[in-house]
Amino acid sequence: AQKVTQAQTEISVVEKEDVTLDCVYETRDTTYYLFWYKQPPSGELVFLIRRNSFDEQNEISGRYSWNFQKSTSSFNFTITASQVVDSAVYFCALSEVLSGYALNFGKGTSLLVTP
Amino acid sequence: KAGVTQTPRYLIKTRGQQVTLSCSPISGHRSVSWYQQTPGQGLQFLFEYFSETQRNKGNFPGRFSGRQFSNSRSEMNVSTLELGDSALYLCASSFPSGSYNEQFFGPGTRLTVL
Repeated sequence: AQKVTQAQTEISVVEKEDVTLDCVYETRDTTYYLFWYKQPPSGELVFLIRRNSFDEQNEISGRYSWNFQKSTSSFNFTITASQVVDSAVYFCALSEVLSGYALNFGKGTSLLVTP
Repeated sequence: KAGVTQTPRYLIKTRGQQVTLSCSPISGHRSVSWYQQTPGQGLQFLFEYFSETQRNKGNFPGRFSGRQFSNSRSEMNVSTLELGDSALYLCASSFPSGSYNEQFFGPGTRLTVL
């Protein structure tokens, strides 16, 4: 069963639009970690953020923000005023004690930002 | 600090052959994990090594194996290659000792099996 669901396969926006990437996860652990990674066309996964299950504070980093809600098992990612350089595939991942902390990735959301 | 390096970057093999991929973690990182990325299955965890010991293993057949050396460098080996093994193989390292910390990925090795 898929533990991390990224329902949006592809999103296309025009530069300067805001865009939210959804991530829903499933776990029985009380302690777990959530991650977002970016994969540009070059292929290398770039770490964006890590959140532990006890920290539900929203996070903002420049144009990026994350909304973690345990009540809905969601960890959504918003890019404000998108730019062409934001075009990439974005992955949400779950790390649990039950799986030895291996990263369990969603299928990814491909974001295309056009000028 | 240098990032995670993987060699070779590209590899073409034929069915039945075996292949060895190499990964050098970030200096000071002792945990190395391997992932396979394919269009159909996405990113899947292969195994993790820490202090030369396999600490965790994903759901892959025994043809996939790995090892870690005393300097934390890691290799993974795939024997009796199948067409379905064509994928991007990503290595990640983390610090200090748990994979629950952020994992830093290398550029990957793209393996094509003909």
